[in-house]
Amino acid sequence: EAGVVQSPRYKIIEKKQPVAFWCNPISGHNTLYWYRQNLGQGPELLIRYENEEAVDDSQLPKDRFSAERLKGVDSTLKIQPAELGDSAVYLCASSLAGGRTSYEQYFGPGTRLTVT
Amino acid sequence: AQSVAQPEDQVNVAEGNPLTVKCTYSVSGNPYLFWYVQYPNRGLQFLLKYITGDNLVKGSYGFEAEFNKSQTSFHLKKPSALVSDSALYFCAVRGYGATNKLIFGTGTLLAVQP
Repeated sequence: EAGVVQSPRYKIIEKKQPVAFWCNPISGHNTLYWYRQNLGQGPELLIRYENEEAVDDSQLPKDRFSAERLKGVDSTLKIQPAELGDSAVYLCASSLAGGRTSYEQYFGPGTRLTVT
Repeated sequence: AQSVAQPEDQVNVAEGNPLTVKCTYSVSGNPYLFWYVQYPNRGLQFLLKYITGDNLVKGSYGFEAEFNKSQTSFHLKKPSALVSDSALYFCAVRGYGATNKLIFGTGTLLAVQP
């Protein structure tokens, strides 16, 4: 079974530039998450999707961050414009919706963003 | 509010010795508890979880964790450490009835010396 796929793996941009990250979850997983992991910290949830619907985006900085999950499969996270403090690893995860197995989240390798 | 504490930034252990990585939690109601491992330049990998039932949970790669409700702890253990176990370990909690949102600790770096 293929895991969660993310691209790009690394991205270096100058501040004020836009950037986008892409995620393809595990097939059949209805729930998709975007996390941000700062250096030396655990991941922090940015947004959670149930199918196409963003059901928890309370931690997403909406002035510069946006996300979409068209058709309830792939998802894109965008930052525009990027700031120096956005440098971090952006992790995508997915899980089944409903039942005990929904509690396990499977993570992709992440995108390491460096803003200069 | 839910929270997780991993009091040790780093744990050092010799290969073949038992290892323990500590985790304590704070959550309303019954907790759902998880351990994940992160290798360099890779995403988090699920190790094990506690939802209900037996307080001793067995997971991947020979790891196990013991849920202790009175001490609000969920320590990760392995009877005999391997050099390949060296990685960053994260404990996470989700509150019962809460949305499927995990709160992660700050991580503990496990270093196993040959």
